[in-house]
Amino acid sequence: EVQLVESGEGLVQPGSSMKLSCVASGFTFSNYGMNWIRQAPKKGLEWIALIYYDSSSKYYADSVKGRFTISRDNSKNTLYLEMNSLRSEDTAMYYCAKSLLNYPGVMDAWGQGASVTVSS
Amino acid sequence: DIQMTQSPASLSASLGETVTIECRASEDIYNGLAWYQQKPGKSPQLLIYNANSLHTGVPSRFSGSGSGTQYSLKINSLQSEDVASYFCQQYYNYPTFGGGTKLELK
Repeated sequence: EVQLVESGEGLVQPGSSMKLSCVASGFTFSNYGMNWIRQAPKKGLEWIALIYYDSSSKYYADSVKGRFTISRDNSKNTLYLEMNSLRSEDTAMYYCAKSLLNYPGVMDAWGQGASVTVSS
Repeated sequence: DIQMTQSPASLSASLGETVTIECRASEDIYNGLAWYQQKPGKSPQLLIYNANSLHTGVPSRFSGSGSGTQYSLKINSLQSEDVASYFCQQYYNYPTFGGGTKLELK
């Protein structure tokens, strides 16, 4: 069974940094692209980043480009999201999600989410 | 960015009814369209990709159709467990989601 477990959630001040982790199990992590998607309270879904299976390509939404960095460690089956210069509008539930094989932009398994609150 | 417009924003239907949710893209997305279901307090789950390909394990009462800029999700014979929000998402370009449709029982 595919499992994705996010960690690193919390409350931070505007302008600060935070790093989320996502540990994967139940599939060969190194074969799949991985994504981060966020959902602000009572709002819709926003894709924010994608990393290919071998880290050869990384893509970001304009809203986080230059502030957030997606990375992965295939030896640890772990996906990361480093978030800098955090703003109040970054407050959201952050989900890691596995890409469907051969469809990098389709998310076929999601974690339970990690809550990030940016507030002074 | 490709904008995705979903309608209706909310929907009330009876058990056994057929429900259709529409999604319009701001440009041709060449069937690069997925549908997700999100139950209250849960993370989203993939239902359909490639506009009409049913994901593994998804009940056959769910179906997708469309082309170009216009797509739809149909739920036949609505069940109580189908109460959820539904989101379309294009992946022809950088992924973007529709605003969602909240489906409730009448």
